[in-house]
Amino acid sequence: DTEVTQTPKHLVMGMTNKKSLKCEQHMGHRAMYWYKQKAKKPPELMFVYSYEKLSINESVPSRFSPECPNSSLLNLHLHALQPEDSALYLCASSQALRREVSYEQYFGPGTRLTVT
Amino acid sequence: TQLLEQSPQFLSIQEGENLTVYCNSSSVFSSLQWYRQEPGEGPVLLVTVVTGGEVKKLKRLTFQFGDARKDSSLHITAAQPGDTGLYLCAGTPGNQFYFGTGTSLTVIP
Repeated sequence: DTEVTQTPKHLVMGMTNKKSLKCEQHMGHRAMYWYKQKAKKPPELMFVYSYEKLSINESVPSRFSPECPNSSLLNLHLHALQPEDSALYLCASSQALRREVSYEQYFGPGTRLTVT
Repeated sequence: TQLLEQSPQFLSIQEGENLTVYCNSSSVFSSLQWYRQEPGEGPVLLVTVVTGGEVKKLKRLTFQFGDARKDSSLHITAAQPGDTGLYLCAGTPGNQFYFGTGTSLTVIP
C-alpha cells in the first residue's frame, strides 16, 4: 500500500473558523510533511515531522498548528486564517529524514482550502 | 534564488512532438527525483536518479542525471495529452528537501 490519504478533499472556511486537515499513511514511513501549493507553482514546505517529533518549521504563521498523534497520522489545525491562505495543502510521507539522503516522498491528493 | 531552476517554466506543444525539460543547480545532489502533478492531485514520483551520468527510461520518458550530479533532464518522445501536468524535479543537497521551480506542460490534441 503506497497510498497517503487526506481529508477533507475540499474545505471552505471563514476567517474566524477553526478547522483541521487530516493525513494518514500505512507504509511505515517515519517522516511526514505538510506543504502549501498555489496554482502552477511548486509545493512550499511548511512542516516536517520525523519520528513523530517536529523537525522542521519553515517560519509558518502560528495560525497553522501541526500535530502528529502517532506514526501514521498527521494533522494541521487551522485558526483565524486569511484569504491569502487559500491554496492546495498537501501531505507527504517518506521512509525517513536524514541529512544528505534524498528519500522518495509519497503525496496525498491534497485538500483544496478556500478562506472567505 | 531557487536552489533548483527548471526550464522552461511553461511549455505548450502539439501531440506527437518531442520535448526536453531541464533542472539545474549549483549544488551537488546525492540523488534527484522527478515528479508529475496533474491538476487537483498530489505529485506522483516518476523516477529517482542516483549515479552521475545515469540514464533511466520510463516508456516514452527518458531521464538523465548530469555527470557532476548538479543537473538533470527529462525528455518526452511523442508527447500525448495524458502527459499534461506540472513536472517537478526535487532533491536534498543538505538537510532539507527542495523542489525545483516547476515546468507546466500542456499537450494539445
